[in-house]
Amino acid sequence: EDQVTQSPEALRLQEGESSSLNCSYTVSGLRGLFWYRQDPGKGPEFLFTLYSAGEEKEKERLKATLTKKESFLHITAPKPEDSATYLCAVQSNFGNEKLTFGTGTRLTIIP
Amino acid sequence: EPEVTQTPSHQVTQMGQEVILRCVPISNHLYFYWYRQILGQKVEFLVSFYNNEISEKSEIFDDQFSVERPDGSNFTLKIRSTKLEDSAMYFCASSESGRGSRNQPQHFGDGTRLSIL
Repeated sequence: EDQVTQSPEALRLQEGESSSLNCSYTVSGLRGLFWYRQDPGKGPEFLFTLYSAGEEKEKERLKATLTKKESFLHITAPKPEDSATYLCAVQSNFGNEKLTFGTGTRLTIIP
Repeated sequence: EPEVTQTPSHQVTQMGQEVILRCVPISNHLYFYWYRQILGQKVEFLVSFYNNEISEKSEIFDDQFSVERPDGSNFTLKIRSTKLEDSAMYFCASSESGRGSRNQPQHFGDGTRLSIL
């Protein structure tokens, strides 16, 4: 059974204070690892897809990296508008299209 | 930017009643999904739908649940006889492609909050 564990559960940072969120996964053949952002009362908003170990993707202050066992979401010089819950999900080669999600990291950026 | 739209945003229903949640996926997308998120818990897969049939479903998606694409734009989730434990946020998602190709991401709507009394 595919499993995704995210840490920490919650993270409070000062504006401008860089940090990383972790996503550890167990999957029967990784087809893709996805990062989403979720604001309160909203649906997950797609950020990145990573397919193979060593791959990196960047968007503004966010950078996602992937190894064979985990993924990191690095946040550089965050702003208050980066406050959200960040979700990690995996898709297996042996399922169809379903995403298996972690519980997320709730990020708060303090001005 | 195209988006997935869901209606209603909030549905309150008596236990035992039938409920239909509606979704309009992104227009050129071919794969459709339902997920749910119980308050404080993770997003859970319910069902995927392609070419007018279910391609995968989870253990949660039992005989009380059904999905339908009644026309070229809508995608619905029906719960036949609701239970208290069905209270959750239900998310619809769609993607351009799925199994067999470099998978495109799933794009989610903002959900329907279902409250069972």
